[in-house]
Amino acid sequence: KNQVEQSPQSLIILEGKNCTLQCNYTVSPFSNLRWYKQDTGRGPVSLTIMTFSENTKSNGRYTATLDADTKQSSLHITASQLSDSASYICVVSGGPAGGSYIPTFGRGTSLIVHP
Amino acid sequence: NAGVTQTPKFQVLKTGQSMTLQCAQDMNHEYMSWYRQDPGMGLRLIHYSVGAGITDQGEVPNGYNVSRSTTEDFPLRLLSAAPSQTSVYFCASSYSRGAKNIQYFGAGTRLSVL
Repeated sequence: KNQVEQSPQSLIILEGKNCTLQCNYTVSPFSNLRWYKQDTGRGPVSLTIMTFSENTKSNGRYTATLDADTKQSSLHITASQLSDSASYICVVSGGPAGGSYIPTFGRGTSLIVHP
Repeated sequence: NAGVTQTPKFQVLKTGQSMTLQCAQDMNHEYMSWYRQDPGMGLRLIHYSVGAGITDQGEVPNGYNVSRSTTEDFPLRLLSAAPSQTSVYFCASSYSRGAKNIQYFGAGTRLSVL
């Protein structure tokens, strides 16, 4: 069964500090991996998307890495801000036909940034 | 562009009632999908559509119907609401660029079934 596991479940850091969120997946075949940010009461917003051939992708202070061999991804947040407080969701797409449409969502990591 | 618009934002139903959650997008995206998000769980795919006139079931389709008569609209119908359908529902539209599926979500509909 396709699965996406995220760790930690929750994280509290001080403003200005860096942090790294982890995502392990068993989805096969693999098409792409996405990281989303979801603010409380809002829909998810895409941060990065990577295919098999990409091992790093940045979006401002957010940098995602992908190791397709070990089926692991990480999201690194640099110089955290209060507005980074949100849930971060890892999503992996792929399916029996190799299509990119059937996604498997992780449960998310809840990040709280304290002043 | 308004992006993906969902209505209503909140809804309370009684068990057995039916209703339609509306979803509209103005980005001319081929793909549209409905998800539900429950506490402690990842988003789960209910139904999806790869174009007007084409729909398919996702992971948790029971109790829900969809149709896609136009590119812009993708309504989700609850036929006979049950308390287990209390959840937050998200509609998304997307397009493909190579192996990448670029997806945009609406703000969600919070549904309570009593």
